Parts: sequence; structure tokens; C-alpha cells
Amino acid sequence: DADVTQTPRNRITKTGKRIMLECSQTKGHDRMYWYRQDPGLGLRLIYYSFDVKDINKGEISDGYSVSRQAQAKFSLSLESAIPNQTALYFCATSDSNKDEQYFGPGTRLTVT
Amino acid sequence: DQQVKQNSPSLSVQEGRISILNCDYTNSMFDYFLWYKKYPAEGPTFLISISSIKDKNEDGRFTVFLNKSAKHLSLHIVPSQPGDSAVYFCAARGNSGGSNYKLTFGKGTLLTVNP
Repeated sequence: DADVTQTPRNRITKTGKRIMLECSQTKGHDRMYWYRQDPGLGLRLIYYSFDVKDINKGEISDGYSVSRQAQAKFSLSLESAIPNQTALYFCATSDSNKDEQYFGPGTRLTVT
Repeated sequence: DQQVKQNSPSLSVQEGRISILNCDYTNSMFDYFLWYKKYPAEGPTFLISISSIKDKNEDGRFTVFLNKSAKHLSLHIVPSQPGDSAVYFCAARGNSGGSNYKLTFGKGTLLTVNP
């Protein structure tokens, strides 16, 4: 079984809709991250959480919110989706003693 | 302002030859560097890393070199194999403490290894 799972894997939604992307991990890591990948722009950090009570904005947090429901779960919400949020979204985790991050398989989101 | 730069969007090499992927950074506070590999339809996977106190780290066919004075690192793959064809991301981390725990990624380089 995958250590970091993301649901859904693909989603098409309409402008203005609220959507939630979910991430779960079985690695026992305390740190979790949300990134988006756009063609030619690499990976950009949206939000990150170092533990259940800690939430931090990344470089592109506008239009997004997150919830850390438990150590193993970190969800990303788009309150009112817009077309330029069409991208590939990745969740990642890391141990507090190490810098290597472990990524989920990604969610491809299309906003029409 | 892009702090981690991978100036070559793509690289093509022959199987068995050396692949060299380059990465430059501008933030002198970065002290730990990582390379990730990404296949289509999958998440990035950690490949190799190097601390700023070293200038070389080797793991099998993969070697990362760090030139701190030039703020430059490179990933060497020898010999290259078709299965190495993927997008490679360079990432850098700032000093411990506060928000510096997060990684900053480059835009990636698509490596194609031809049989």
C-alpha cells in the first residue's frame, strides 16, 4: 500500500464550486505539505503543517485553505474554484528530523 | 524572484553515457540540497541529497556535486539508462528554524535517455 495517498486522483469542477482534496499518510510523519505543479513552473508550496496545531502559508496560499484533521490527514480546500487553479496538486510528508519529503501520487484538478 | 534555477528545461543523452543536470541557487542561507525524480502520473521521489558541509555525495550511479562559492550543484548519472528518463527537480532548504524548514524547488529538467 502507498504511504501517502491522495483523493481524488482526478477531478473536473466548475468555476465557483467548492472542492476539497484529501491526503492521508501512514508514514507516521508529523509534517505535511501541499504543492501545486504547473507546466514550466515546477513545484510551488501552498500550505504546510509541522503538527496538528500548526498551519503555515506557503508562497501561493491565496484562494486556498487547509485543515489538519489528525497527524495523518491534511486536506486542501478551494473555496471558490477558478480556472487558473487548474493544476496538478501534490501532498507531501516529512519527518521532523529529516529534510526528505515523500510525495503522494498527485491530484489532477481541472476547473472549467 | 526564483531562488533555485534549473536553466535547462530538457536534456537528451545516449544510453550508457553520462547525464549532467545543473542547478543554481541565489540564497546563501540554503544549506541542504536535494534532487527529486518524477515520472509522468506519479509524485516526485527523493533521489539524493547533499549538505553544504560537503562537496560531493555518491549513491550508486548518482553523484551530486556542490560548489558553494559558485552557488551551483549538479547531478551526474553514470551510466545513464532509459529508465532514468524523467523530470528531475533540484530543491534547497534554508537553515534550521522557523519557516526555513520548507523546500524551494526549481522548475525541473526533463531528461530523455535514448536507447
